[in-house]
Amino acid sequence: SQQGEEDPQALSIQEGENATMNCSYKTSINNLQWYRQNSGRGLVHLILIRSNEREKHSGRLRVTLDTSKKSSSLLITASRAADTASYFCATVGNQFYFGTGTSLTVIP
Amino acid sequence: EAGVAQSPRYKIIEKRQSVAFWCNPISGHATLYWYQQILGQGPKLLIQFQNNGVVDDSQLPKDRFSAERLKGVDSTLKIQPAKLEDSAVYLCASSLEPPTSGLNEQFFGPGTRLTVL
Repeated sequence: SQQGEEDPQALSIQEGENATMNCSYKTSINNLQWYRQNSGRGLVHLILIRSNEREKHSGRLRVTLDTSKKSSSLLITASRAADTASYFCATVGNQFYFGTGTSLTVIP
Repeated sequence: EAGVAQSPRYKIIEKRQSVAFWCNPISGHATLYWYQQILGQGPKLLIQFQNNGVVDDSQLPKDRFSAERLKGVDSTLKIQPAKLEDSAVYLCASSLEPPTSGLNEQFFGPGTRLTVL
């Protein structure tokens, strides 16, 4: 499969803690994107990192990309209950390929 | 700015019936995508349009699924006849430019939840 694989599949943390999820992929990419999906809703774009970038920040989000290892990580700092959702990485070359997702639960 | 619109939000049909979904992308977005998302999985691309032309439909089950984007704006996805395994959420997304460009962030609609009995 050309899909990325996220791990862990599920993650449960206390409010205020940091959450880290990882994405591994197989093909070469132009960029990698992270999306969030709340239950029963469409996906929402969070952040994009280009293949020539190693790290990017946006608010409480920090994304890293290691193209030599074909992996990326998403760190959410100081998590809130509202961050409870599924998170997907999408590898972008000629096409978009979404990963299998990490289900994050933030306990108030 | 209005988002991606989809209808209906929910649909229940019996196997072997037909169903159609509609999508209206964000104004000015040239690229439109249809995805199938089975419960617990990531979205799987069914078809990608660039304006009114098909760019990629390699994962579209063409014996039963069809899609069109007349005039390069709205799009419809049809399933005929439906099978039990077609039960899923069908997501439509649009982007300003195709994946090969730098402006390829996708905007998703709320999806249509299809249940095939």
